[in-house]
Amino acid sequence: AAGVIQSPRHLIKEKRETATLKCYPIPRHDTVYWYQQGPGQDPQFLISFYEKMQSDKGSIPDRFSAQQFSDYHSELNMSSLELGDSALYFCASSLEGPGQVYEKLFFGSGTQLSVL
Amino acid sequence: AQSVTQPDIHITVSEGASLELRCNYSYGATPYLFWYVQSPGQGLQLLLKYFSGDTLVQGIKGFEAEFKRSQSSFNLRKPSVHWSDAAEYFCAVQIQGAQKLVFGQGTRLTINP
Repeated sequence: AAGVIQSPRHLIKEKRETATLKCYPIPRHDTVYWYQQGPGQDPQFLISFYEKMQSDKGSIPDRFSAQQFSDYHSELNMSSLELGDSALYFCASSLEGPGQVYEKLFFGSGTQLSVL
Repeated sequence: AQSVTQPDIHITVSEGASLELRCNYSYGATPYLFWYVQSPGQGLQLLLKYFSGDTLVQGIKGFEAEFKRSQSSFNLRKPSVHWSDAAEYFCAVQIQGAQKLVFGQGTRLTINP
């Protein structure tokens, strides 16, 4: 069965560089979520999109931006990278829209970003 | 603000022994409750969830969890663990009407042969 696809799996960048992470949700899932998980930390919600519009926003730095495209894939753009941005970035998708319960929420395997 | 607490950072049990992972939440109303498992380098996999109704819920891989409103708890249990259960376990809540999940700090489970 198709799952949530994230690319790349691993990314190494230097400070002050930019990075773009991609997420391809499960077909027919129109809601996408981004989470950041620092080393030994719990996942923290960054931002979500429903039908290509931002639906909720969490602790996402101003240096980060994201969008959802017409094919429902999403990209997380990160600029002026800092050492503290090193983390595992998860994308998740679901059929449910804002305010609905996560009957089925599927996570990707994540992109491991290392900032040197 | 709503929060999720997993008091045990690391638990070690022997293979075949029973397991209980603790989870407490802080929220005025009953949230939707979840347990996820994460193997090293992998994404989060849903074990089980509680929305309403029967307070004892069954999940995949032989796990179950019991919601206790009086204790604001949602502890995860398994009668007999297998070596493949070694992983990080996260309790999470979704506040009604909100879209995001709030995760606990996680409990790392180690299995002794």
